[in-house]
Amino acid sequence: EVQLVESGGGLVMPGGSLRLSCTASGLPFNDAWMSWVRQAPGTGLEWVGRIKSRVDPETTDYAAPVRGRFTISRDDSKNTIYLQMNSLKIEDTALYFCSWLGTTTSFHSWGQGTLVTVSS
Amino acid sequence: QSALTQPASVSGSPGQSITISCTGTTSDVGNYNVVSWYQQHPGKAPKLMIYEGSKRPSGVSNRFSGSQSDNTATLTISGLQAEDEADYYCCSYAGNFVFGIGTKVTVL
Repeated sequence: EVQLVESGGGLVMPGGSLRLSCTASGLPFNDAWMSWVRQAPGTGLEWVGRIKSRVDPETTDYAAPVRGRFTISRDDSKNTIYLQMNSLKIEDTALYFCSWLGTTTSFHSWGQGTLVTVSS
Repeated sequence: QSALTQPASVSGSPGQSITISCTGTTSDVGNYNVVSWYQQHPGKAPKLMIYEGSKRPSGVSNRFSGSQSDNTATLTISGLQAEDEADYYCCSYAGNFVFGIGTKVTVL
């Protein structure tokens, strides 16, 4: 069974930075494409970005609202991906989910999420 | 990319069948076999129900089925049960991912 555990959320002031982590188990992590998806309070799902596997080679893609501010990276030795969030805005407040892309086009497993609150 | 269009809510009685539509463009939904569907209960993580338009992951009830016609994908829930009450999101891939606005399913 695939398990994804996010951590690192918290309260941060506008303009600040935060780094989220997601540790995976139960899947061939070295070959896995991983993604971050967020959900603002009371709203729907929003894709944040994706990182391909090292052989692909670790290509990253981002949604327009976060491009240039957020960076996804991975450490295959720790079965972990990261989301570095800089220049945070109030509208970045959301529950951030880590997800495994079981196919190129679909999110097959999800973590429980970590909450990021951007507020002064 | 704009969010995909879904009805805000759909309801049905136990045992009935309901459908949820997901409308996009030729660039996303219209690009066949790139639509997936997710179920989300309150306070829980989303769960994959359908991928590549009509495929069901292991463990998902065969009461859930997906189909597509031109720029509209459809999720059908047959034999509606109380546990199906949840929010449902479609998602399409076109280089990037775009989600639908979500549909709240109510079991009467």
